[in-house]
Amino acid sequence: EVQLVESGGGVVQPGGSLRLSCVASGFTFSSYAMNWVRQAPGRGLEWVSYISSSSGTIYYADSVKGRFTVSRDNARNSLYLQMNSLRAEDTAVYHCARDSGYNKSWYDSWGQGTLVTVSS
Amino acid sequence: DIQMTQSPSSLSASVGDRVTITCRASQTIITYLNWYQQKPGKAPKLLIYGASTLHSGVPSRFSGSGSGTDFTLTISSLQPEDFATYSCQQSYSAPRTFGQGTKLEIK
Repeated sequence: EVQLVESGGGVVQPGGSLRLSCVASGFTFSSYAMNWVRQAPGRGLEWVSYISSSSGTIYYADSVKGRFTVSRDNARNSLYLQMNSLRAEDTAVYHCARDSGYNKSWYDSWGQGTLVTVSS
Repeated sequence: DIQMTQSPSSLSASVGDRVTITCRASQTIITYLNWYQQKPGKAPKLLIYGASTLHSGVPSRFSGSGSGTDFTLTISSLQPEDFATYSCQQSYSAPRTFGQGTKLEIK
């Protein structure tokens, strides 16, 4: 069974930093691209970042570009999101999601998320 | 970016009802449209990809249709476990954008 478990969320002051982790199991992690998707309170889902299976291709949403850094460790079956210069509008539940790998791909497995609250 | 608009934003229905949720894209996305189900505190689940292909394990009471800019998700006979929030997503171009979600509640 595919499992994705996020951790690392919490309360942080504006301007602060946080590092999220996502541990994968039940599939060959190194074969799949991964994504981070967030959902702010009362809002829809918002794609945040994409990383290819080998880390060779990385994309970010404009809203986080220059502040967030995605990475992965295939030996540890782990995905990370380093979040710096956090703003109130970054408050959200952050999910990791597996990319199906097909052209024009969808997200076929998700974690339940970790809550990040940016507040003074 | 492609804007995705769902309607309605919320919907009350009863067990056994047939329900339809609509998703409209701001430009053509051919059939690169996916549907997800989300329950509070749980991981979102993929229901349908490519506008009409049911993901593995998804009950057949769920169906999707549409092409171009207009798409629908239909639940033929609501079951108690179907009360959740449903979101569409376009995978035609980057960034992958989502609709705002439709909350399906028990009447």
